[in-house]
Amino acid sequence: KNQVEQSPQSLIILEGKNCTLQCNYTVSPFSNLRWYKQDTGRGPVSLTIMTFSENTKSNGRYTATLDADTKQSSLHITASQLSDSASYICVVSAIQEKLTFGTGTRLTIIP
Amino acid sequence: ETGVTQTPRHLVMGMTNKKSLKCEQHLGHNAMYWYKQSAKKPLELMFVYNFKEQTENNSVPSRFSPECPNSSHLFLHLHTLQPEDSALYLCASSQGYLPGQDYEQYFGPGTRLTVT
Repeated sequence: KNQVEQSPQSLIILEGKNCTLQCNYTVSPFSNLRWYKQDTGRGPVSLTIMTFSENTKSNGRYTATLDADTKQSSLHITASQLSDSASYICVVSAIQEKLTFGTGTRLTIIP
Repeated sequence: ETGVTQTPRHLVMGMTNKKSLKCEQHLGHNAMYWYKQSAKKPLELMFVYNFKEQTENNSVPSRFSPECPNSSHLFLHLHTLQPEDSALYLCASSQGYLPGQDYEQYFGPGTRLTVT
């Protein structure tokens, strides 16, 4: 059964600090992996997409990594800002299969 | 904004009521989706419409009835709901739809539904 597990479930860090969110998946055969950011009261917005051949991709202060061998991805946030407070959802796509969503990590940035 | 709007944003309804959720996309996309988001659970895909035709129904109870009159509008008609149906209902759209193909989905802000 295709599954996506995210850790930690929630995280609180001080403004300006870095953090890393984890995503482990058992989806097969792998097609791609997306990280979404969901602000409170809003729908998810795509941050980045990783395909099989990509190891690292950056979007501003967000850097996603993918290890297709160990089936792990991480989202690193550098120099966090208050606006980074949100839920971060990992979504994995399998070939000819529907998307598999993680439960998300709730990130809170405190001043 | 993502180009996908949903109304109402909040809805409280009794178990015997009938109500409808509305979604509209201004992106020229061909596929539209309904998702259910409950606390501490992954997003659950409910329905997919591609070119106005329903292509996915994930064993959703018949008390949820979707309608897609054209590629820009999607409705979710609700009747005789249960308290466990309380959740955030998200609408999304994408350029196309094919399982396993990457079509970025653009989500609306959701309707927070409470069933009393």
